[in-house]
Amino acid sequence: EVKLLESGGGLVQPGGSLRLSCAASGFTFADFYMSWIRQSPGKAPEWLSFIRNKANSYTTEYNPSVKGRFTISRDDTQNVLYLQMNTLRAEDTAIYYCAKHGWWAPFDYWGQGVMVTVSS
Amino acid sequence: ETVMTQSPTSMSTSIGERVTLNCKASQSVGINVDWYQQTPGQSPKLLIYGASNRHTGVPDRFTGSGFGRDFTLTISNMEAEDLAVYYCLQYGSIPYTFGAGTKLELK
Repeated sequence: EVKLLESGGGLVQPGGSLRLSCAASGFTFADFYMSWIRQSPGKAPEWLSFIRNKANSYTTEYNPSVKGRFTISRDDTQNVLYLQMNTLRAEDTAIYYCAKHGWWAPFDYWGQGVMVTVSS
Repeated sequence: ETVMTQSPTSMSTSIGERVTLNCKASQSVGINVDWYQQTPGQSPKLLIYGASNRHTGVPDRFTGSGFGRDFTLTISNMEAEDLAVYYCLQYGSIPYTFGAGTKLELK
């Protein structure tokens, strides 16, 4: 059974930083691309970033809305996905999900999400 | 950025009804469209990938179709458990983008 468990969320002041983690199990983590997606209350999800697998040199893609502030990374030895978030703004307040990509399409499995609140 | 426009925004339905949800892309995305279902307090769940392929375990009352700019999700025989918000996603170009969603409610 695929399981994705996010952690590291919480309350942070504007301008602050936070690192989210996503612990994966139930599949061969190293084989798959992985993404971060967020969802503000009452809004549609917003894709943020994905990281390819080792076979594709761990290259990354970002949504322009977070490029330069957020950094995605992965540790295939520990089956963990990360999202480093810097210079946080109030509009970054959302539930953050990690998601596994499938062979044919993205986001076949999602974690339960972790809340990030940016407020003074 | 490819904008995904979903219609209607919300829909009142009855159990047993046939429901059709629409999603229109601002530019062609081929068949690179997924549909997701989200119930309150839950993360979105994949229903359809590649415009028309059901994800593992998805009931056959869910059918996706479309190519290019116009896509539909049809629920052939609405059940109570299908009351949810449905989102389309395009992954034909980066950034991947979701539609704003269609909320299905009971009449």
